[in-house]
Amino acid sequence: DAKTTQPTSMDCAEGRAANLPCNHSTISGNEYVYWYRQIHSQGPQYIIHGLKNNETNEMASLIITEDRKSSTLILPHATLRDTAVYYCIVLKAAGNKLTFGGGTRVLVKP
Amino acid sequence: GAGVSQSPSNKVTEKGKDVELRCDPISGHTALYWYRQSLGQGLEFLIYFQGNSAPDKSGLPSDRFSAERTGGSVSTLTIQRTQQEDSAVYLCASSSSGTSGINEQFFGPGTRLTVL
Repeated sequence: DAKTTQPTSMDCAEGRAANLPCNHSTISGNEYVYWYRQIHSQGPQYIIHGLKNNETNEMASLIITEDRKSSTLILPHATLRDTAVYYCIVLKAAGNKLTFGGGTRVLVKP
Repeated sequence: GAGVSQSPSNKVTEKGKDVELRCDPISGHTALYWYRQSLGQGLEFLIYFQGNSAPDKSGLPSDRFSAERTGGSVSTLTIQRTQQEDSAVYLCASSSSGTSGINEQFFGPGTRLTVL
């Protein structure tokens, strides 16, 4: 599975959009981009995934560049409960072993 | 419906003792995973069960670790002769599709294992 690179941390103001970048320049054609998050002392939580088209669900939006070498997770209106570590992962369609790296530690401030 | 549950939530044991950790996946989920997460670290895959197929044990760190899944539902992770480096949070996850398509894994709250 391709390696991903994310900023170590970022702060966001409550109510504002949080834009979390992820680089995956070695992604191959059959690999998906997945986002999970982990709130302190909880298990990881699936957020969203995509292949090449932009995706949106009730939690977030995922914007994937045309060359698929990077993506951005958007939390449209961050709340204090969105404070967590966010992980960007690249997996093949049949891939099933999640391996988290450092992720981005997001702190939503009032 | 109920999510993934794990028990116990915390386990303190002495070095050299055996421990058993339990996972109850979401009903109907055919895939079950065990991971562990050491303090401040990322997620480490341990083992994966998919239906009646032979489990993928490629992540087990040593032969002291084993897991079984009875009746395609509940799973038990056993660590024999525990060592201090086994101290971590052990996470269980299940999903409805382990072979293709969406790989949304639902995680339990974890078991925090402390080996003294």
